[in-house]
Amino acid sequence: AQSVTQPDIHITVSEGASLELRCNYSYGATPYLFWYVQSPGQGLQLLLKYFSGDTLVQGIKGFEAEFKRSQSSFNLRKPSVHWSDAAEYFCAVGAPANDYKLSFGAGTTVTVRA
Amino acid sequence: DVKVTQSSRYLVKRTGEKVFLECVQDMDHENMFWYRQDPGLGLRLIYFSYDVKMKEKGDIPEGYSVSREKKERFSLILESASTNQTSMYLCASRSEGTGHNFGYTFGSGTRLTVV
Repeated sequence: AQSVTQPDIHITVSEGASLELRCNYSYGATPYLFWYVQSPGQGLQLLLKYFSGDTLVQGIKGFEAEFKRSQSSFNLRKPSVHWSDAAEYFCAVGAPANDYKLSFGAGTTVTVRA
Repeated sequence: DVKVTQSSRYLVKRTGEKVFLECVQDMDHENMFWYRQDPGLGLRLIYFSYDVKMKEKGDIPEGYSVSREKKERFSLILESASTNQTSMYLCASRSEGTGHNFGYTFGSGTRLTVV
């Protein structure tokens, strides 16, 4: 069975500083990997996804993520955080053996301080 | 762009009531999903549907049922609402294909409070 771990429940970062959110997955092969963002009271917005090819994936809002097969990780990064990046971030995995149904991590809440 | 619309943003229901959460997508997708979101638990799959009148249980189906009479509409039903079903409910529609063509679109969510 597939599973996703986001080790950090809450991260506080200063505006303009870099941000990295960790995501580890458990699955025997390479799944599809996703990062979503959720602003308060809103649904989920896709930031980026990985399915094959280049292991560094560019997304919207200046985010990128790197797939590392050896570490079963898909960490999300942003070089310079803006106050509007304060939100909750979810990593998700969809595996072919499970018909690509998504399993989500518990989420990481990002607070941005001025 | 695919649009997934959940008819209610906020609902307050009483214990024991039958509750219907509605979800409509506008892109003729075959696959639709209902998730429940709780703090510290992320999103958990309740039910999904591969086509009209077809449904399958997800990871936490107890206390829920679903209905898919038309392709665009997927309803989540709480047969007898209980306080432990107070949660945020998210509907999703999935585009098929591979790679860039594959993906999920989520609705804005329905925050249900059962009192």
